Amino acid sequence: GAVVSQHPSWVICKSGTSVKIECRSLDFQATTMFWYRQFPKQSLMLMATSNEGSKATYEQGVEKDKFLINHASLTLSTLTVTSAHPEDSSFYICSAQRGAGETQYFGPGTRLLVL
Amino acid sequence: GQQLNQSPQSMFIQEGEDVSMNCTSSSIFNTWLWYKQEPGEGPVLLIALYKAGELTSNGRLTAQFGITRKDSFLNISASIPSDVGIYFCAAAGNNRKLIWGLGTSLAVNP
Repeated sequence: GAVVSQHPSWVICKSGTSVKIECRSLDFQATTMFWYRQFPKQSLMLMATSNEGSKATYEQGVEKDKFLINHASLTLSTLTVTSAHPEDSSFYICSAQRGAGETQYFGPGTRLLVL
Repeated sequence: GQQLNQSPQSMFIQEGEDVSMNCTSSSIFNTWLWYKQEPGEGPVLLIALYKAGELTSNGRLTAQFGITRKDSFLNISASIPSDVGIYFCAAAGNNRKLIWGLGTSLAVNP
């Protein structure tokens, strides 16, 4: 199988602080990783696509300076929510893909609550 | 953004019943995927379909890639309580970006 992990699984932080979420592909190398956000009872919304060693491609309406993505290796991508505000509270899910066009395997998600 | 039309939005059924849900689109896609998501978890891939007309089974689950490439359905036979969750369809075209349905919430009464 293809296992993707996320850390932390949940985080509570104060407004104005930054939070880093890690996404790791445990048993395969991922050329591409995706970051999604999901609000309660809604579908997944793609935030950005990141390829190892290059800058992430952000979806329209997603602030790249607020959601910093780093894909430094073929098994690790990080999403940093900078200066978090309560409206950033959401369920953040990453997925990883071995190669272009291949199946995306999802992590278990990170629940972020900003107070 | 673009979304798939997934129906029904929710279902409440008795254990043992069969379930059917579907997704449609006005666009053509090359890949159709069905995922299940349980509360507080990420989506888990159930079935992947890569060819128009393809019919694929995974245990009690069966899914088909519509011949027009604009739709797909998922059937669950003889439902059991652990089938509870939200089922999402997703599709990808030439740009390989996944487009998602809004999900079908399934509740099973034991």
